[in-house]
Amino acid sequence: DIQMTQSPSSLSASVGDRVTITCRASQGIRNELGWYQQKPGKAPKRLIYTASSLQSGVPSRFSGSGSGTEFTLTISSLQPEDSATYYCLQHNSYPRTFGQGTKVEIK
Amino acid sequence: EVQLVESGGGLVKPGESLRLSCAASGFTFGAYGMNWIRQAPGKGLEWVSFISDSTTYIYYADSVKGRFTISRDNAKDSLYLQMNSLRAEDTAVYYCTRGNWGGDTWGQGTLVTVSS
Repeated sequence: DIQMTQSPSSLSASVGDRVTITCRASQGIRNELGWYQQKPGKAPKRLIYTASSLQSGVPSRFSGSGSGTEFTLTISSLQPEDSATYYCLQHNSYPRTFGQGTKVEIK
Repeated sequence: EVQLVESGGGLVKPGESLRLSCAASGFTFGAYGMNWIRQAPGKGLEWVSFISDSTTYIYYADSVKGRFTISRDNAKDSLYLQMNSLRAEDTAVYYCTRGNWGGDTWGQGTLVTVSS
């Protein structure tokens, strides 16, 4: 199984800050990775697919990059509504595996 | 509007069974692979199972293999998860999601609680 290691597990940043979350895969997964945002009590919402493609309707301050084993989700200018937990998910092989999640808080 | 609505969750005792359903609308259900993904209380996301559009391909997480069965009825635009021999560690919100890549659309989830 492919292990996804996500870091950091939590972070606190101010409105307007640039925020970066990283996911590392235990083996190469090409660009077969998505990023999800989950707010408390809600279902996750996909932000990014195939590592760098922005889901329709998602603000352009969200971006993804990477391929192979290292991937990054960047929020270019953190907004109050971005307070949430973020997960990566590899869709290179089964079983699909998620990162452990990164909780983003606003200072 | 693309929509997925799960149902069938509830409180059951260890060893009992439960069948979850997911009703799809707003898209051609039979053209998409579908997943079940779960989230234990206060924990992260765990992929559970996938079924391809024509049921040719079916996959399970090791944690549920041999106990859970995924199925679909394309004529009824519905996805199912038959859960047998339930354990306390199966307690979670279960989401159905659309797509081969894990899910571009998610339902609101249904809570399954396994407790004596």
